This record gives sequence, C-alpha cells and structure tokens, in this order.
Amino acid sequence: GAVVSQHPSWVICKSGTSVKIECRSLDFQATTMFWYRQFPKQSLMLMATSNEGSKATYEQGVEKDKFLINHASLTLSTLTVTSAHPEDSSFYICSAPGLAGRTYEQYFGPGTRLTVT
Amino acid sequence: QKEVEQDPGPLSVPEGAIVSLNCTYSNSAFQYFMWYRQYSRKGPELLMYTYSSGNKEDGRFTAQVDKSSKYISLFIRDSQPSDSATYLCAMILSGGYNKLIFGAGTRLAVHP
Repeated sequence: GAVVSQHPSWVICKSGTSVKIECRSLDFQATTMFWYRQFPKQSLMLMATSNEGSKATYEQGVEKDKFLINHASLTLSTLTVTSAHPEDSSFYICSAPGLAGRTYEQYFGPGTRLTVT
Repeated sequence: QKEVEQDPGPLSVPEGAIVSLNCTYSNSAFQYFMWYRQYSRKGPELLMYTYSSGNKEDGRFTAQVDKSSKYISLFIRDSQPSDSATYLCAMILSGGYNKLIFGAGTRLAVHP
C-alpha cells in the first residue's frame, strides 16, 4: 500500500523559534496533501490543503502566515510553524490520496509531536 | 451542530465481545463513508470505506451505512485486545480532492 512518512517524529523547540515538518509520499506521487492538527483526546482538525506548484488553501481560523506550507515537488510537502508558542504544541499529521479521484483512500503519515517550551 | 457526531466514549468491552461504533451526520451530500483506526501517538489507518447504503464486510469488521437515517456503524466481531484504539468515522462529499470530515473518535478498550 501507499506509504507516507513524516520527519521529525518528535520535536521540542523554544518559544519564538520556527520548526519545519516534512511529509513525503514514498511510493506514489501526491499533487495534493492535507495537514491536520490533533490535540490530546480530540479528533483531527484540517488545517490546510497543500497543492503541488501552487498556494495552499487554509481552513477558516488557521493563520497562513504562522503555518507556512510549501509543496515543491510531487512527493514532498512541508509545514513550517513560525514563531512557535506553547499553544502550538500539538500532534501534526499529514495525509495524501493514493490515487487521483479517490480522496476517500487517504494515507496518513505517522504524525509529528511538537512541544514548544 | 457539528456535521459529524460521534460519541467519544471511552468504550470498554471484554475480549470476544461484539463492538458497535456509530456516527450520525447532517449533510445529505456526503457520498463516501470511512472508518479509520488510530493507535496512540500514531497516524490513522484506513479500515474500510463504503459508498452506498447497506453492509460491507471485511474479516471481523462490518461497515453499515443508512443514508436515509444519516447513520453509519462499524461492527467488530470477536474483539481482541489489539483492537484497542480510537476509531474515527470520516466522510467526504465526492471522490475528488475534497477534504475529509472526521467525527470526534471513539476510544475503545478491549480487556482480556
């Protein structure tokens, strides 16, 4: 099956610094990827849709200047949390549809746990 | 009102029990219905997806959709401790690159 990886799996950073999270589709191409945030014991909340070669589409309430998304290739999307604060501490997960037109078959990465001190 | 409602539980059952997990939704335009399983501190993995009303079976898992009632279910037969996880229902409007709408997730614990 399709595999999505994320790096790093866990990161701790100081308040005010920026952190970059990578999401890669390992054995398939993904023109679209999705970024989610998940707080403890809560469901996944979609943050933005990442589109290869174009600007990301952000969900209402998500600050585009704070959460920078770049989808520079068909296998890599990055999420940069700029000027991170403790309230940004969360579990960040990306996903990608395996086949065109079959968004219901989304493959999720293992997630990145961000802790801001 | 949330688009997708799911009881967060937790749900605790003995090994071998039949588990019933449910979600209701309000948007009749949803076309695909998925169930994901998420272990602690891991990404979700797709268990099953269905398109039409009715039942779909895969091993010990059965997904059921009732579009007239806007109600979906996941049944787990002969539950095992390894089934202990959070189960998320998710829905989508069409087969294109549209976003998934998740339920809150139900935490399931199967004890030996």
